[in-house]
Amino acid sequence: AQKVTQAQTEISVVEKEDVTLDCVYETRDTTYYLFWYKQPPSGELVFLIRRNSFDEQNEISGRYSWNFQKSTSSFNFTITASQVVDSAVYFCALSEAKEAAGNKLTFGGGTRVLVKP
Amino acid sequence: DGGITQSPKYLFRKEGQNVTLSCEQNLNHDAMYWYRQDPGQGLRLIYYSQIVNDFQKGDIAEGYSVSREKKESFPLTVTSAQKNPTAFYLCASSKKRGTPIATTGELFFGEGSRLTVL
Repeated sequence: AQKVTQAQTEISVVEKEDVTLDCVYETRDTTYYLFWYKQPPSGELVFLIRRNSFDEQNEISGRYSWNFQKSTSSFNFTITASQVVDSAVYFCALSEAKEAAGNKLTFGGGTRVLVKP
Repeated sequence: DGGITQSPKYLFRKEGQNVTLSCEQNLNHDAMYWYRQDPGQGLRLIYYSQIVNDFQKGDIAEGYSVSREKKESFPLTVTSAQKNPTAFYLCASSKKRGTPIATTGELFFGEGSRLTVL
């Protein structure tokens, strides 16, 4: 069975500080996909990134960066120079690669990030 | 604008009543999903459908039912058999697997429906 663990339930930082969100996953599949989603106060989840299991290259997108380490089954997310608008709940998720599985995602419990001005 | 519309946004129900949550999408997506969100537990999959007239149970299907008569619509009924229905319900859609890999796995979510049982 697949499992995603986000050990940090809530993180509070002051604006311009960096914040790193941890994500550890478990799966028996050799090929899989990892995701990060953002849930602002409006409620809908917004897709941030998808990474497949055979691509361990780290990625940077503006102030966001992701560190995928297959050896430790981790897919951590860093927000650099945080802003108040980054305040949200962030979810890490895992999906099987088998086409028959569809796009079902297994989500972690989420980490609430509060950025204070 | 294309997107997913969920209604109602807030719903109150008395114990023993069934209630149906609406989910409509105009993204021309084949697959649709229902997730339940409880504080501190993340999202858990209730039901999903990859094609019209077909759907599968997710991890927590007991006490829920769905239908998929049209590609655009995937309503969820919370029945009286659901022991603890108070939660935030999120509907999502995605392209079918096998379509361009750049979009594989990306789910598009609605703004959710908050159900409270009185």
